[in-house]
Amino acid sequence: DAGVTQSPTHLIKTRGQQVTLRCSPKSGHDTVSWYQQALGQGPQFIFQYYEEEERQRGNFPDRFSGHQFPNYSSELNVNALLLGDSALYLCASSLVSGGVQETQYFGPGTRLLVL
Amino acid sequence: AQSVTQLGSHVSVSEGALVLLRCNYSSSVPPYLFWYVQYPNQGLQLLLKYTSAATLVKGINGFEAEFKKSETSFHLTKPSAHMSDAAEYFCAVSDRWYSSASKIIFGSGTRLSIRP
Repeated sequence: DAGVTQSPTHLIKTRGQQVTLRCSPKSGHDTVSWYQQALGQGPQFIFQYYEEEERQRGNFPDRFSGHQFPNYSSELNVNALLLGDSALYLCASSLVSGGVQETQYFGPGTRLLVL
Repeated sequence: AQSVTQLGSHVSVSEGALVLLRCNYSSSVPPYLFWYVQYPNQGLQLLLKYTSAATLVKGINGFEAEFKKSETSFHLTKPSAHMSDAAEYFCAVSDRWYSSASKIIFGSGTRLSIRP
């Protein structure tokens, strides 16, 4: 049973560029959440997708956008990259059962460096 | 709004000694609480979770945590530390677990070091 997978594992971009990160949820899961973890800090919630819609959003600017596909996989897009966007980006998947979201399981993350 | 505070950014214990990582939470509704572990250059692994059943929760790798409502605490313990326990530990709370949309709010983390 494959867990949550993310690609790429590492990425280097320059300021102003755009980046797309990808996440495949754990088998059987239908909800994907994205988190940003800056160095030495705890993860911060970016947004969550369920039924191909953004359900919740954290305090991140519109430069951060996402998408969920019919197969439940998801993308995180960041436009106009800033140096401060350098971080580990974590994807978590879960299942909504009986109207309640169950435990979130995390992927290994994508480490983004903006130069 | 919900939040968690982890007391101590770095804890160091000797191998075989008791591990105690402290976490206090703030929540306006009955919380769902979690402890996650992160090994270097890896993602987060769920150690254990409290979902309003038993107040003493047992997790993986010999860890356990006790939910104390009166103290708004959810401290993580392990009776005997092992070298492999060295990692970053995050306490977390979920804001709306009873709905179809919820996010996890993490503490700032505690780095656990094990002395030989």
